[in-house]
Amino acid sequence: DTEVTQTPKHLVMGMTNKKSLKCEQHMGHRAMYWYKQKAKKPPELMFVYSYEKLSINESVPSRFSPECPNSSLLNLHLHALQPEDSALYLCASSQLSQGYEQYFGPGTRLTVT
Amino acid sequence: DAKTTQPNSMESNEEEPVHLPCNHSTISGTDYIHWYRQLPSQGPEYVIHGLTSNVNNRMASLAIAEDRKSSTLILHRATLRDAAVYYCILRGLRGAQKLVFGQGTRLTINP
Repeated sequence: DTEVTQTPKHLVMGMTNKKSLKCEQHMGHRAMYWYKQKAKKPPELMFVYSYEKLSINESVPSRFSPECPNSSLLNLHLHALQPEDSALYLCASSQLSQGYEQYFGPGTRLTVT
Repeated sequence: DAKTTQPNSMESNEEEPVHLPCNHSTISGTDYIHWYRQLPSQGPEYVIHGLTSNVNNRMASLAIAEDRKSSTLILHRATLRDAAVYYCILRGLRGAQKLVFGQGTRLTINP
């Protein structure tokens, strides 16, 4: 199983809402990632978890709160977002050795109204 | 992070080989060269990576210049399904988990 799943596929939320994005992998990967991708732009790294601990935070605003409950799951909690946060949010996972190839999920398309 | 330079777009015909170039003149000795692609409405997909020697896998080949300042991703026989944005990324040993995507090359395949 080389699949990374993400739910929901689409999400529309108001600026005062709280929502969560979920990501799951069963490849035994010990690194998991969140990326943000605006339309017609490349993905931008937001967070990296290694062995369930946050190892990289690319200066992401606190209205985005990541969580890694176990080695297979990664959440991104959203609160008080702005319309400019509307984007495709991609989750990825990788081993922490060899080629570090990242496997990406299909993403969650988020619209903030 | 060392940078890469790729053409914005390329076009090729179905069933013909495609050579996608990437320049990385500031590459360091320990930087790996990775290629990912992103098909429309999908997440990026790992294609291939290498350090110094040319590499082949079921998807593509990677040709790395002797001075490592450039590389070429080769799709031996393009299909319509290969139409995607192709990203050439340098991955260092330090911060090995960090992928910094550039603008990539948008590849169009004509039937």
